[in-house]
Amino acid sequence: DAKTTQPTSMDCAEGRAANLPCNHSTISGNEYVYWYRQIHSQGPQYIIHGLKNNETNEMASLIITEDRKSSTLILPHATLRDTAVYYCIVLIMIYNQGGKLIFGQGTELSVKP
Amino acid sequence: GAVVSQHPSWVICKSGTSVKIECRSLDFQATTMFWYRQFPKQSLMLMATSNEGSKATYEQGVEKDKFLINHASLTLSTLTVTSAHPEDSSFYICSASLGYSNQPQHFGDGTRLSIL
Repeated sequence: DAKTTQPTSMDCAEGRAANLPCNHSTISGNEYVYWYRQIHSQGPQYIIHGLKNNETNEMASLIITEDRKSSTLILPHATLRDTAVYYCIVLIMIYNQGGKLIFGQGTELSVKP
Repeated sequence: GAVVSQHPSWVICKSGTSVKIECRSLDFQATTMFWYRQFPKQSLMLMATSNEGSKATYEQGVEKDKFLINHASLTLSTLTVTSAHPEDSSFYICSASLGYSNQPQHFGDGTRLSIL
């Protein structure tokens, strides 16, 4: 199973871009990288996912290296409401069961005024 | 779109009682639902995977007779914590998915269970 490594915590100034790195050196060719975040006492919120190409949506951008061994989640203009734990997860597909998300410890992002 | 509703959001009950938690996908049909547990200051731990119309698949170390899962329709899965004890107190979270690798899981807001 492909595991991920993320920094335990990061700080970011309000209004600046937040760049959250993730290493997934054992990822397989057909495994997707997913990013979720969890604000205290709530369920995780889906942010973005990708396979090979860079992706962008209304929340964030996902940059995946060419060898797919690492990726970076970018929040272009961080706000105080972006303070949360961010999880980078490689989706594990199980035959007849769909995809399993195995959560690591994530990165605790603190956006400061 | 892709809203998952969980009920109740908070429950307190006496030791020895059974508690049922519901997870509903409101605007899509979820072939697969997942149940997680989260203790304070820890990450989410996957408990089981539930496919509509079939038995749930439990992760290693999770007692299937303790945590009963039913997934009777494409929009509803239930988790019943049987004979709950204080050590079962936790934050229980469900998610729902269409079941494809390129379709994200969407999570409910969780149920905080406190056993006295």
